Amino acid sequence: DAGITQSPRHKVTETGTPVTLRCHQTENHRYMYWYRQDPGHGLRLIHYSYGVKDTDKGEVSDGYSVSRSKTEDFLLTLESATSSQTSVYFCAISEAGTTDTYEQYFGPGTRLTVT
Amino acid sequence: AQSVAQPEDQVNVAEGNPLTVKCTYSVSGNPYLFWYVQYPNRGLQFLLKYITGDNLVKGSYGFEAEFNKSQTSFHLKKPSALVSDSALYFCAVRGVYNFNKFYFGSGTKLNVKP
Repeated sequence: DAGITQSPRHKVTETGTPVTLRCHQTENHRYMYWYRQDPGHGLRLIHYSYGVKDTDKGEVSDGYSVSRSKTEDFLLTLESATSSQTSVYFCAISEAGTTDTYEQYFGPGTRLTVT
Repeated sequence: AQSVAQPEDQVNVAEGNPLTVKCTYSVSGNPYLFWYVQYPNRGLQFLLKYITGDNLVKGSYGFEAEFNKSQTSFHLKKPSALVSDSALYFCAVRGVYNFNKFYFGSGTKLNVKP
């Protein structure tokens, strides 16, 4: 988990409230990702960023938005939290790869419960 | 499209015995494959990757993986399991059209009993 922090680590919120999760890296990697982990589904990509202000959707992006105003920070926002968004959220980073393929490095995760 | 499948939700093995965690892939073209490990309440950690070349890839903590193109498999192996290897293991494949997207399997829980 070195070089990547996530905050908060745990959060309980009520249905309908907005929630923002933060990912911070000190590795200066270009790519940043948000995944959610649910039993039986493994990790599913929500959004990712390939540079400051450059983001794209993943496979489960509905209900989520992201922003990246600095290389080191990637924010995930649940505009109006629902119980189906109860999950563990992981941030990951990697170097850019075109001819080379780089592995990802993951943060420690945020456990979000929506009641 | 690209995907990986991990057919076993759980694998049980005795300490000292060899272990295998299975992964099969579906990719058009050459696959770029990864294994990660997740210990309780932690993020995923990279173990090893296959890009090209030798079909047997060596990684961290004594793990290795065998790429088999004819069987579209990339099984994770270790000759002698340790109790401390007990964890959740994920196989992943790089995207074909977007090199910086990755697709993960559902995970296999490895239990190593003393």
